[in-house]
Amino acid sequence: DVKVTQSSRYLVKRTGEKVFLECVQDMDHENMFWYRQDPGLGLRLIYFSYDVKMKEKGDIPEGYSVSREKKERFSLILESASTNQTSMYLCASSYIEGTGGNEQFFGPGTRLTVL
Amino acid sequence: ELKVEQNPLFLSMQEGKNYTIYCNYSTTSDRLYWYRQDPGKSLESLFVLLSNGAVKQEGRLMASLDTKARLSTLHITAAVHDLSATYFCAPSTSYGKLTFGQGTILTVHP
Repeated sequence: DVKVTQSSRYLVKRTGEKVFLECVQDMDHENMFWYRQDPGLGLRLIYFSYDVKMKEKGDIPEGYSVSREKKERFSLILESASTNQTSMYLCASSYIEGTGGNEQFFGPGTRLTVL
Repeated sequence: ELKVEQNPLFLSMQEGKNYTIYCNYSTTSDRLYWYRQDPGKSLESLFVLLSNGAVKQEGRLMASLDTKARLSTLHITAAVHDLSATYFCAPSTSYGKLTFGQGTILTVHP
């Protein structure tokens, strides 16, 4: 079974703090993704990576950065947390299969609250 | 930019009834996924639809895809309480990216 793990289920941070969210997958997937989920908005893509050290902006990258130094690990960084970044953050991974992609497998999520 | 709209966003059903969730998307996509999310849990893949006219069934759920109309449906037959969850459709774009609909919150009651 594919397993995607995230470093924390719940996180509380203060405005202005630097926040690191970690994601690890154990299936040797090339693609990894970070989403945020907010009620009524579905999931929105923040960043994705299709290879080590490669990253692409998603739909809402402002205020975030990412790091992928190893194939199995993809980190989301909030350089200076703000209250509007309070959300559920979901990591996912998938194989590359042509340009159409493949099924994404999701981690359990991190609920981040910024005070 | 691919836009995805699900309809309805909230669905309250009686057990034993049938209903359909609709997913419209704005630009061409070569495949579409349906996911389920239980409260407080992560997303679980239900179906992948790979071509025009594709139909997949699992238990009381059946999904179909019409790529010409850019429409996918998720049909629920004889609903039971265990189907209560949020359902997302997600057409695929380049590099394996998915664009998610807003989600349909389904509640099945006696």
